[in-house]
Amino acid sequence: DAKTTQPTSMDCAEGRAANLPCNHSTISGNEYVYWYRQIHSQGPQYIIHGLKNNETNEMASLIITEDRKSSTLILPHATLRDTAVYYCIVVRGGSNYKLTFGKGTLLTVNP
Amino acid sequence: SQTIHQWPATLVQPVGSPLSLECTVEGTSNPNLYWYRQAAGRGLQLLFYSVGIGQISSEVPQNLSASRPQDRQFILSSKKLLLSDSGFYLCAWAAGHNSNQPQHFGDGTRLSIL
Repeated sequence: DAKTTQPTSMDCAEGRAANLPCNHSTISGNEYVYWYRQIHSQGPQYIIHGLKNNETNEMASLIITEDRKSSTLILPHATLRDTAVYYCIVVRGGSNYKLTFGKGTLLTVNP
Repeated sequence: SQTIHQWPATLVQPVGSPLSLECTVEGTSNPNLYWYRQAAGRGLQLLFYSVGIGQISSEVPQNLSASRPQDRQFILSSKKLLLSDSGFYLCAWAAGHNSNQPQHFGDGTRLSIL
């Protein structure tokens, strides 16, 4: 699976959009970009994933560049409960895949 | 909607004692099921996965075993725990067998071995 690079930490003001970047310059054509987050002492929570097109769900939007070498997770209106470690993961296409989390980005939403 | 339950939430066990952690999924049929361990500072490690009843695949050799006695039940066991078995154990499920199906995690069991 391709390696990802994320900033170690970011801050965001409550109510503003949080934009979390991820670089995956070695991504292959059949690899998906997944985003999870983990609040301390809880299990990881799935946020969103995509292959080529931008995606949006009730939690967030995922913007993938045309060359697929980077992506941005957007939380449109961050709340204090969005404070967590956010993991960007590239997953190879195929069956029975396993998730491998890196260090992720600690997003702190400030009041 | 689908839900996943793990218990217990925390567990303290002596070295050499047995272990049984249970995971159940509701609201879906024939899920893929996964056991992961998240050790402090070491990220997420896949231990076992199952695509159906009685079908278990092991990712790494270790002191643990897994079983799937029912479609939506996944059990992680050990006959004799080691100190190195301490960690945060996570169960996950996915609706399909391919990487376009996200895995959804339970709240985990924090296991401490004394």
